[in-house]
Amino acid sequence: GENVEQHPSTLSVQEGDSAVIKCTYSDSASNYFPWYKQELGKRPQLIIDIRSNVGEKKDQRIAVTLNKTAKHFSLHITETQPEDSAVYFCAASNYGNNRLAFGKGNQVVVIP
Amino acid sequence: DADVTQTPRNRITKTGKRIMLECSQTKGHDRMYWYRQDPGLGLRLIYYSFDVKDINKGEISDGYSVSRQAQAKFSLSLESAIPNQTALYFCATQAHASTGANVLTFGAGSRLTVL
Repeated sequence: GENVEQHPSTLSVQEGDSAVIKCTYSDSASNYFPWYKQELGKRPQLIIDIRSNVGEKKDQRIAVTLNKTAKHFSLHITETQPEDSAVYFCAASNYGNNRLAFGKGNQVVVIP
Repeated sequence: DADVTQTPRNRITKTGKRIMLECSQTKGHDRMYWYRQDPGLGLRLIYYSFDVKDINKGEISDGYSVSRQAQAKFSLSLESAIPNQTALYFCATQAHASTGANVLTFGAGSRLTVL
């Protein structure tokens, strides 16, 4: 099955700086890559996703890039703010089976 | 998000007891999932169901069972709870793939402690 790994496990950034989290996946058939954000004590919620037919997608201060050849995708957060502090999970799935495999999560801490 | 409701939200029980966690949804989604979250281990899939008569094991199904009583209800049971099943459990729903929607909607979570 699909195996998704996230690096680094913890990331601290100064407010206003950028944060980048990278994930690698193992199954070349995977074609859907979402990112979920989980604030402390809350449920995970989708913040952005990308399909394999595009290389990059942006939504305000967040973006996701995909490199299918290298089998990795990254979350980019620009102009970080304290409310960006959370655990971020990447995931991958094959559109046919629709079952997501999650990474172990990255703790992002934005230092005011 | 009241669309996916989990009960109980918190439960403390003793080793050997049978526990049921319930999940109900008003989103009309076909697919429902049970995940377990442990610190540093992310979200691990226990069981999932694509329809009322469909039950599938996930990566960590041992010690758990599920029942899909209706499209809107998916319950998780621990037949004989043990301490290493202490965790935060999430139910999630997902629209059918033909709609093009892969998004998971999570419930608020059920925190289970087994003493």
